[in-house]
Amino acid sequence: DQQVKQNSPSLSVQEGRISILNCDYTNSMFDYFLWYKKYPAEGPTFLISISSIKDKNEDGRFTVFLNKSAKHLSLHIVPSQPGDSAVYFCAAISYGGSQGNLIFGKGTKLSVKP
Amino acid sequence: DVKVTQSSRYLVKRTGEKVFLECVQDMDHENMFWYRQDPGLGLRLIYFSYDVKMKEKGDIPEGYSVSREKKERFSLILESASTNQTSMYLCASLGLSTGLSGVGGYTFGSGTRLTVV
Repeated sequence: DQQVKQNSPSLSVQEGRISILNCDYTNSMFDYFLWYKKYPAEGPTFLISISSIKDKNEDGRFTVFLNKSAKHLSLHIVPSQPGDSAVYFCAAISYGGSQGNLIFGKGTKLSVKP
Repeated sequence: DVKVTQSSRYLVKRTGEKVFLECVQDMDHENMFWYRQDPGLGLRLIYFSYDVKMKEKGDIPEGYSVSREKKERFSLILESASTNQTSMYLCASLGLSTGLSGVGGYTFGSGTRLTVV
């Protein structure tokens, strides 16, 4: 059973507009959520994270929103740039009984068109 | 910066061959992980290790084994490569003293694209 779900395999956005990537989860015990960005032929790189006790975290053009009641988080990129085109992975972790295993979603491929 | 180095970017191996994928990290991290990435399936955990000599199965360990003889090195072994093991393999590390708060969680290597023919 998938604990972290990214239901949109792809998303296409015009340069300068907002990109919204969504992620749903089923485990209410997750303590932390992270977003990773991956270019082809490269390893994923960390983008932004949020603790389960917060509802928003912002870093430059990137903002992550967490809605615990809906078990939903989203990544907003404003404004979107062509260099943002990549696969974005949502990930989550529960510290109870765990020593650091992230659970990843299947990813969403973002294409930002000039 | 933490660096995670995977020894090969691209590998082509024949069915039945024993394959070694090497991963080295330079920041004295305790936790190391092996994932594979496949289109439509995301990142799937194969094996992980919390310390030297320690290893635990992830979600898809079948057909793989690992070795962690030294803290900085975590090797993934395909005992008898098969075509369904053609994939992008990603190694990652995490330091317990750093944890996940305020930093980027795992540090990934650049990946090894393995093709089994």
